[in-house]
Amino acid sequence: GDSVTQMEGPVTLSEEAFLTINCTYTATGYPSLFWYVQYPGEGLQLLLKATKADDKGSNKGFEATYRKETTSFHLEKGSVQVSDSAVYFCALSDPEDSNYQLIWGAGTKLIIKP
Amino acid sequence: NAGVMQNPRHLVRRRGQEARLRCSPMKGHSHVYWYRQLPEEGLKFMVYLQKENIIDESGMPKERFSAEFPKEGPSILRIQQVVRGDSAAYFCASSPSGPGPYNEQFFGPGTRLTVL
Repeated sequence: GDSVTQMEGPVTLSEEAFLTINCTYTATGYPSLFWYVQYPGEGLQLLLKATKADDKGSNKGFEATYRKETTSFHLEKGSVQVSDSAVYFCALSDPEDSNYQLIWGAGTKLIIKP
Repeated sequence: NAGVMQNPRHLVRRRGQEARLRCSPMKGHSHVYWYRQLPEEGLKFMVYLQKENIIDESGMPKERFSAEFPKEGPSILRIQQVVRGDSAAYFCASSPSGPGPYNEQFFGPGTRLTVL
């Protein structure tokens, strides 16, 4: 079945550092890809998404590009802030598997130090 | 517009007791999803409901677990005769329409269940 693999955390960076959180997937169909963020004590929020190859999702300075050839959707940000500290989840929705239900990576905890 | 509400936020039960988790979707949303997150793991889909109907329960254990979304009131996830392995965070999400390629689900803060 479909799956999502994220880099293990925690990832610890200094403020203004460049961020990459890797996400790769396996899918039988042609999935949509998502990044969700969970701030401490809160629910998950959609951060960005991409629905077809070479699409770039972006929001709040974060970007991710749907790469079909490498089955990847890596999350990047040029200059992180302390307020970006959270857990980040990569997910996919595949119409050919699980009827569009979201399939999740394990999450990557990001810690930004001032 | 209030977001998805879940209560309680924390629930402690002894083995053999019942756990009842509640979820109120966002206003205007008639589609509800329940997920379970075990420690150090991602979210696992459990069940998808519309008002008064279970649409997909393929992720829900066959025994002890049940879910409903009545015409009035919140969606309820019920776990009977809890065991230690049920300890997890349970998240509810809602959406204005059903699953699809542009599927955006709005999540509640979760209920953290601890079974002693």
